[in-house]
Amino acid sequence: NAGVTQTPKFRILKIGQSMTLQCAQDMNHNYMYWYRQDPGMGLKLIYYSVGAGITDKGEVPNGYNVSRSTTEDFPLRLELAAPSQTSVYFCASVDSTDTQYFGPGTRLTVL
Amino acid sequence: DAKTTQPPSMDCAEGRAANLPCNHSTISGNEYVYWYRQIHSQGPQYIIHGLKNNETNEMASLIITEDRKSSTLILPHATLRDTAVYYCIVRVTETSGSRLTFGEGTQLTVNP
Repeated sequence: NAGVTQTPKFRILKIGQSMTLQCAQDMNHNYMYWYRQDPGMGLKLIYYSVGAGITDKGEVPNGYNVSRSTTEDFPLRLELAAPSQTSVYFCASVDSTDTQYFGPGTRLTVL
Repeated sequence: DAKTTQPPSMDCAEGRAANLPCNHSTISGNEYVYWYRQIHSQGPQYIIHGLKNNETNEMASLIITEDRKSSTLILPHATLRDTAVYYCIVRVTETSGSRLTFGEGTQLTVNP
């Protein structure tokens, strides 16, 4: 049982480039979340999903897109990367007691 | 979700119990108390949660006062690996789009 996995661990992008951050969970959880955490700050919700085929915006969705074709996978797409998107990105899945399980994070730098 | 107040930092000697307090005086009857921690550069980690009764698991114990306005997380035998920021979060257990609101938390430093 791997829990929540995220790839890549680190990435450097140039302004205007695009990339997909991968997130997978093997706990059969319906709810999944994407957060970003800027240095010294708390987590901000980007997008969330309540099940395969269903996604919705969080508080900071601009510049990002998501899809949820399977229960296991919840990729986050960055289009036209900007320096403001430099952050650590965490994916989480949620069990029936509302406990959130986080992945190890992806550190993204946009130069 | 109710607001929580935690001390910004605490120190604890290795092997001793670490007692981390949290005030949540505006908690509602249907709100749970959750504790998470974040070790530097890692994703937040769930520790424990409870409603009104005291709870214990393999990581920690949670003591909630009778009036539910405060709680204490107890790490019974702190190790150096327990050095982290500890977050007390009060929330209703519904997940439809509600994010976890991590406040400032308490930076616990376990000293050898």
